[in-house]
Amino acid sequence: DGGITQSPKYLFRKEGQNVTLSCEQNLNHDAMYWYRQDPGQGLRLIYYSQIVNDFQKGDIAEGYSVSREKKESFPLTVTSAQKNPTAFYLCASSIGWDRATDTQYFGPGTRLTVL
Amino acid sequence: SQQGEEDPQALSIQEGENATMNCSYKTSINNLQWYRQNSGRGLVHLILIRSNEREKHSGRLRVTLDTSKKSSSLLITASRAADTASYFCATDASADSWGKLQFGAGTQVVVTP
Repeated sequence: DGGITQSPKYLFRKEGQNVTLSCEQNLNHDAMYWYRQDPGQGLRLIYYSQIVNDFQKGDIAEGYSVSREKKESFPLTVTSAQKNPTAFYLCASSIGWDRATDTQYFGPGTRLTVL
Repeated sequence: SQQGEEDPQALSIQEGENATMNCSYKTSINNLQWYRQNSGRGLVHLILIRSNEREKHSGRLRVTLDTSKKSSSLLITASRAADTASYFCATDASADSWGKLQFGAGTQVVVTP
């Protein structure tokens, strides 16, 4: 069953703690993305990776970090430096090499709440 | 900053009616995409229209693109209760922003039986 998975679905964190969100895909996609969604708003890009061992900052990278050691995996760490981390986090992937037709496939999301 | 802005913010219709929502954007684009999001879930891709295309159809969906007005519309015909969701447009903008989609805030559609 091909797709993109995120875990956990719900995550609670105390202030001052780092937390890592998992994202895995078995679609053989080169590109992967992390977005943040706040209530009633669209998606904002945190980080993206076009290929293994390479990633780029998106529009709101401050307070977040990522790694891309394997093609299938793109974990996101929300650090204590992120001032307002409570949000819905979405991971996506895409083929990445055909820009004219490239569409993104999304995971089910992780809802992070900071207590 | 958001590239795409959807209008209206919310739309309530009855089953069988058509639903139309619009998206305006600011800069030149390579393509424009529409996605659907059911409450609390991930986004699902609906349709992609390239900058050199004017209209595309997919099942009950019809998308138009007017690059001179920097706008797009999504029409859902003969709506069903299952079409209840938020709909987002996303633009793939200029050449120096590979892979970066800019999403609008979305149109929330409610279809009542």
